[in-house]
This record gives sequence, structure tokens and C-alpha cells, in this order.
Amino acid sequence: GQQVMQIPQYQHVQEGEDFTTYCNSSTTLSNIQWYKQRPGGHPVFLIQLVKSGEVKKQKRLTFQFGEAKKNSSLHITATQTTDVGTYFCLCDGGYQKVTFGIGTKLQVIP
Amino acid sequence: DGGITQSPKYLFRKEGQNVTLSCEQNLNHDAMYWYRQDPGQGLRLIYYSQIVNDFQKGDIAEGYSVSREKKESFPLTVTSAQKNPTAFYLCASSPQTGSEQYFGPGTRLTVT
Repeated sequence: GQQVMQIPQYQHVQEGEDFTTYCNSSTTLSNIQWYKQRPGGHPVFLIQLVKSGEVKKQKRLTFQFGEAKKNSSLHITATQTTDVGTYFCLCDGGYQKVTFGIGTKLQVIP
Repeated sequence: DGGITQSPKYLFRKEGQNVTLSCEQNLNHDAMYWYRQDPGQGLRLIYYSQIVNDFQKGDIAEGYSVSREKKESFPLTVTSAQKNPTAFYLCASSPQTGSEQYFGPGTRLTVT
């Protein structure tokens, strides 16, 4: 079956530092999605990547999909306190097989 | 105001009782999902439905049941067979399977 690994599980950064979380799937994906969950809240959709090697940007957030469509990364430049939360990848292996990563909990120290 | 509603926000039950969690959406989405979230475990898929009157088991369906009689509604029953039911339960919907998911606010179930 599909195995998803997301690292790191926790990350503490000083405000202004960069942050990256990585998501790796054991199988080739049809697409990958990223979500953010604030403390006490529910996951909110950020972006979907579909094409091999795709790179998308949303302000300070950069999302990449690997050439083999088995891994992805989310990079935040110059973190702010509003970036605090847990970032999840959702790996879609096709045929209705979707698996969430365990999440990376980001703490930003002001 | 479109969205997904889950009720109640907090639910307390005694061990051995079945309990049904509500999930309603007015986004006209075909697909709906139930997830369970435990600390340090991410979100695990319980059941999903691609269309009315159809649903499929996810990774951890044992001890749970669902129905999808209406497009807007996808209730989840946590039965007494579920060995460790205390958790945060999240419902989501998407226009179709494979597209972005919209989550409800969740129900925190405590069974003692």
C-alpha cells in the first residue's frame, strides 16, 4: 500500500527564518495537496500540484512537486507568527487512494 | 453562506453507546469524507463517498458506519465496537474525488 512520510514532525524557528517541510510517497502520485491547520482549527486547503517538476508560489510560500511525482516540499520564506500551525501533505495515488502525511508542526518564536 | 457544518462541537458519551456525528454541506459537492485525528498521527481516513447512496471504507473503518442518503449529508456513527473512539473527527467535502477538500470545524468526541 501507499506509504507517506512527512518530515520533520516538529520545527521551531525564529521569526524571519525560513522553513521547509518535505513529503515523500512510496508510490507515484496523480497529485499532491497541501493543507494548513491552525491550533484548535481545521485543515485549510493551500494548493494542489499535478505536473511533474511543478513549482507554485503563494506570496512567501513555495511549493514543489518532484520530477518523479513521488515527493514534494513546502518552503516558507521569512516566517511570521501568522505561519504557526501544522502543515499536512495529502498524497493522491489515484483510484480514490488518498493518504495524509503525519504533518509538520511549525512554531515561530517572535 | 456556503460551507460545511458539523455538530456538535463537543460530544461526551459513555462506553458501550453508539453515537452519530452530523456533517452537512451546501457546496453541492459530490464527494464527502470522514477523518479521525489523534495527536501525533495526522488525519486517517475512515470512510468516503463519491456520490449519493455510495460509500467506501477508508483505512480505519472498523467500528464505524456511514450513510449517504442525500447529497448534502454524510453522518458518521461510532459504534460500541470501536475500541478507542475518543478523538477529533473531521468531515470534508470536495467537488469530486481528487480535488481540493473543504473541512468542517470538527467534533471532539470523548468516551468514558
